[in-house]
Amino acid sequence: RKEVEQDPGPFNVPEGATVAFNCTYSNSASQSFFWYRQDCRKEPKLLMSVYSSGNEDGRFTAQLNRASQYISLLIRDSKLSDSATYLCVVNQAGTALIFGKGTTLSVSS
Amino acid sequence: DAGVIQSPRHEVTEMGQEVTLRCKPISGHNSLFWYRQTMMRGLELLIYFNNNVPIDDSGMPEDRFSAKMPNASFSTLKIQPSEPRDSAVYFCASTLAGPVAGLFFGPGTRLTVL
Repeated sequence: RKEVEQDPGPFNVPEGATVAFNCTYSNSASQSFFWYRQDCRKEPKLLMSVYSSGNEDGRFTAQLNRASQYISLLIRDSKLSDSATYLCVVNQAGTALIFGKGTTLSVSS
Repeated sequence: DAGVIQSPRHEVTEMGQEVTLRCKPISGHNSLFWYRQTMMRGLELLIYFNNNVPIDDSGMPEDRFSAKMPNASFSTLKIQPSEPRDSAVYFCASTLAGPVAGLFFGPGTRLTVL
């Protein structure tokens, strides 16, 4: 089983839609969780951290379920500029970040 | 402020040649990471340094790969000899507070080995 698994997509949605991405991780000792965004042929950039209580940043909401070892990202009112690949990232104590392979989102007008 | 700087941005070489990738982390950051990205395998950690000391090099594929960080502002990743399967985008990233903090990535080096 891979350490971090994501549905690769692509998710094709119209502008204004709500879309959710899921991610599962295998190591129950994982401690920190993040979502990164990567545009085509660019470097990954931190989108948001994921906290146990769930957190929101504008149109983006991240949630963590430790019991199920599951992370989610919800994007409301999708914009054309949200089109990108979204990477789920997990960290265990003393190790570097482990990246999922990403979920591709395409928002169309 | 300058972000993470990598050079070269693109490298095309022939199998068997030595390749050296360079990285300058963000000033003041004390952790530096080398990742490799391919379509098949996604982003894979190769090695990371904390305060210039290699902490985890378990991702380095084999003896053909080596990485150094002689000071806080410079790191190299060397492949010798290079092979076609090394073709990938190599990213350097840095952070101030270790791997639990968000990483700042450089623009990457796109390596093609013919």
